[in-house]
Amino acid sequence: EPEVTQTPSHQVTQMGQEVILRCVPISNHLYFYWYRQILGQKVEFLVSFYNNEISEKSEIFDDQFSVERPDGSNFTLKIRSTKLEDSAMYFCASWTGLSLGYTFGSGTRLTVV
Amino acid sequence: GENVEQHPSTLSVQEGDSAVIKCTYSDSASNYFPWYKQELGKGPQLIIDIRSNVGEKKDQRIAVTLNKTAKHFSLHITETQPEDSAVYFCADDSGGGADGLTFGKGTHLIIQP
Repeated sequence: EPEVTQTPSHQVTQMGQEVILRCVPISNHLYFYWYRQILGQKVEFLVSFYNNEISEKSEIFDDQFSVERPDGSNFTLKIRSTKLEDSAMYFCASWTGLSLGYTFGSGTRLTVV
Repeated sequence: GENVEQHPSTLSVQEGDSAVIKCTYSDSASNYFPWYKQELGKGPQLIIDIRSNVGEKKDQRIAVTLNKTAKHFSLHITETQPEDSAVYFCADDSGGGADGLTFGKGTHLIIQP
């Protein structure tokens, strides 16, 4: 069964550093997403991406965040200057644009120290 | 903004019994209602979904019911098994596929042997 692949599985970074979280969505999917889940809390929408541009973003997705699809397979989330409160699980998801729901990756646990 | 309320936050049932998790939503334009299962250390996995033109959908031991008038939908798991233990999230998607899902806060389902 096709999977959304995320790397790394765990990233530790110092406050103020830049991090890039990487995702390989399912190949025939057209819509791509990043979600965040702070430990013990619900999954929160960050941003959606379609046709090589952001289609929607939440209030969480401020100027410190950016997304990019640098080639035909990767989809990245960059946090320019990490804060302690950015510590969370970050999930990438993709969708065909047709029926069925999104497929989520296994997540990257980001720890900012 | 849109809100999805989920109850209960924790549900403990005896193996073999049924479990029911309920969600309410606020946006009458919502038309897609997925349920996700999240096991420890993994990303959310879609287990069943329903669209607003359908009142009920069933897949083996799992069923979802939707009451659009009352704006609530429920997940039903029958003949529960130990592997059903996980956190379950409901969500809705009022803006169509490009927009992000809004998740409930999750229900920790515990199956007692």
